[in-house]
Amino acid sequence: DQQVKQNSPSLSVQEGRISILNCDYTNSMFDYFLWYKKYPAEGPTFLISISSIKDKNEDGRFTVFLNKSAKHLSLHIVPSQPGDSAVYFCAAIWSGGSNYKLTFGKGTLLTVNP
Amino acid sequence: GAGVSQSPSNKVTEKGKDVELRCDPISGHTALYWYRQSLGQGLEFLIYFQGNSAPDKSGLPSDRFSAERTGGSVSTLTIQRTQQEDSAVYLCAGTPGLASHEQFFGPGTRLTVL
Repeated sequence: DQQVKQNSPSLSVQEGRISILNCDYTNSMFDYFLWYKKYPAEGPTFLISISSIKDKNEDGRFTVFLNKSAKHLSLHIVPSQPGDSAVYFCAAIWSGGSNYKLTFGKGTLLTVNP
Repeated sequence: GAGVSQSPSNKVTEKGKDVELRCDPISGHTALYWYRQSLGQGLEFLIYFQGNSAPDKSGLPSDRFSAERTGGSVSTLTIQRTQQEDSAVYLCAGTPGLASHEQFFGPGTRLTVL
């Protein structure tokens, strides 16, 4: 039972254009969402997050949108750069849980072509 | 060190052997998690330590897996009688405490069971 789904295993965009990575979740208890970026042979690094009380959070070129009614979030990268090429994981958490464990999607490999 | 360290970075072992993976979290991070990422999968929660509380072992896949955390710092994940399906990247992460949802990951240990 996959509670966090990233249905696109890969995405390819041209440098300078917008990258949109999507994530869906099924557990309505989730109230905090994070995006992580992972380069090969490295651990995931935190990118941006959003609380369920908001519908948008922006940090530089990165914006995360949350649609609670649709249980959907997306990460927008504008403009995309070749250095953004990595695997992006969506993760969700239930703050009321006892262990604050992150539930991850399977990831989307983003390739930004020069 | 400034970040989370894990050792070894790579481990190749024969089926049936025991392995021990080590995680050295960021100093002061009271919460520690182990995850694993199998090929083509997202990160799967294994176990969680928080301070002196009993660990949450709900994600451990079998009784061949165990983990301990000594002195609230270094943690070791032990896999006994390894099987080929244990092959994965094992990631350790920490947080400063329950108030923070952002988890800081180590580079992982790639385990290959022949």
